[in-house]
Amino acid sequence: DAGVIQSPRHEVTEMGQEVTLRCKPISGHDYLFWYRQTMMRGLELLIYFNNNVPIDDSGMPEDRFSAKMPNASFSTLKIQPSEPRDSAVYFCASRGGNYGYTFGSGTRLTVV
Amino acid sequence: AQTVTQSQPEMSVQEAETVTLSCTYDTSENNYYLFWYKQPPSRQMILVIRQEAYKQQNATENRFSVNFQKAAKSFSLKISDSQLGDTAMYFCAFKTGTASKLTFGTGTRLQVTL
Repeated sequence: DAGVIQSPRHEVTEMGQEVTLRCKPISGHDYLFWYRQTMMRGLELLIYFNNNVPIDDSGMPEDRFSAKMPNASFSTLKIQPSEPRDSAVYFCASRGGNYGYTFGSGTRLTVV
Repeated sequence: AQTVTQSQPEMSVQEAETVTLSCTYDTSENNYYLFWYKQPPSRQMILVIRQEAYKQQNATENRFSVNFQKAAKSFSLKISDSQLGDTAMYFCAFKTGTASKLTFGTGTRLQVTL
């Protein structure tokens, strides 16, 4: 298994542009999580899905952020419009069983 | 709400020595799971060790072991025979039996020196 696959690995964009981050979870895992990591706030849960259905999006910072999971093998996190304070590392993780969390390599987003 | 506290922002240890990283948590639940994750400079989050709260025996994975004190709500990580490759950020994480998400501490940066 290739693990959780995220793309792109790095993204640099200008303020106001739309950014889309992508994630392919491990096959068979029924939970998918999006986390954001910053120096100031550490690792924060943004949203998670169970069987492709969003369960808790209370961590999504504002309406500029949206996430979708159209099928069991793909999820996106979109920021529109992006702002410099969105600069962070965004992790996707999937889970099978009660504690089999596996993280992707993350996307480092820089908004200039 | 559950909280996880790592009170040591940075630590340093010499190669081959032993180091212990501290973690405390707060919960009213009786069924939960605890984890230590390692994040090296490559930024990959790697599971080091996990512990189920209902198990009294402390988890061990090769050079890594935990000291789980349920009454004190403490979950420390001991790294024996430290190696240069252990240099990383270490995060303690918590999950209740009913919840799905992991809650992370703020991390401890560990530097292994020659």
